[in-house]
Amino acid sequence: DGGITQSPKYLFRKEGQNVTLSCEQNLNHDAMYWYRQDPGQGLRLIYYSQIVNDFQKGDIAEGYSVSREKKESFPLTVTSAQKNPTAFYLCASSISSVLEVNEQFFGPGTRLTVL
Amino acid sequence: ILNVEQSPQSLHVQEGDSTNFTCSFPSSNFYALHWYRWETAKSPEALFVMTLNGDEKKKGRISATLNTKEGYSYLYIKGSQPEDSATYLCAFFTDKLIFGTGTRLQVFP
Repeated sequence: DGGITQSPKYLFRKEGQNVTLSCEQNLNHDAMYWYRQDPGQGLRLIYYSQIVNDFQKGDIAEGYSVSREKKESFPLTVTSAQKNPTAFYLCASSISSVLEVNEQFFGPGTRLTVL
Repeated sequence: ILNVEQSPQSLHVQEGDSTNFTCSFPSSNFYALHWYRWETAKSPEALFVMTLNGDEKKKGRISATLNTKEGYSYLYIKGSQPEDSATYLCAFFTDKLIFGTGTRLQVFP
């Protein structure tokens, strides 16, 4: 079955620690995205990658880092510099980020809680 | 700052009722408007991608219309069923998707 997997589903982190959220897709999509959801807000874009070895900051990139070494994988690291990291994180992919008609496919999400 | 607004924030209807919600977006520099359905404990799934003014799309009992000149899209559900219960998100495409906060629909049997 083609799709996007995210792990873990729930993640707890102590303040001051970095943590990495996994995102893998087997859809052969070029573009991948990371979003953050907070209560009462729409999904906000953290980072996106249009192609392997390339990525761009989204609207709320501060305190986060990403890598795109393989087409299938786009891990997100939440660093200790992120002031309010407790949130629900969604990964998505699309055939290409350039064409407006390309729907995005989403993973099941990771809920991160900072203790 | 580009803003995408959805109304109402939440909606409770009885099974069999028809319902509709609104997505408002900037009317300039329009490229596309996406609708997604997000059921609890599942991943968001695309319903429609709309690009042309006057566009109307349909999938089963769900349909959507688009007015790019005035900057709004309507999503209609005819004869709501409990399985339609979900949050419905719209997203405006510029060089990336900008999401609204969603309309949470609950359909009671």
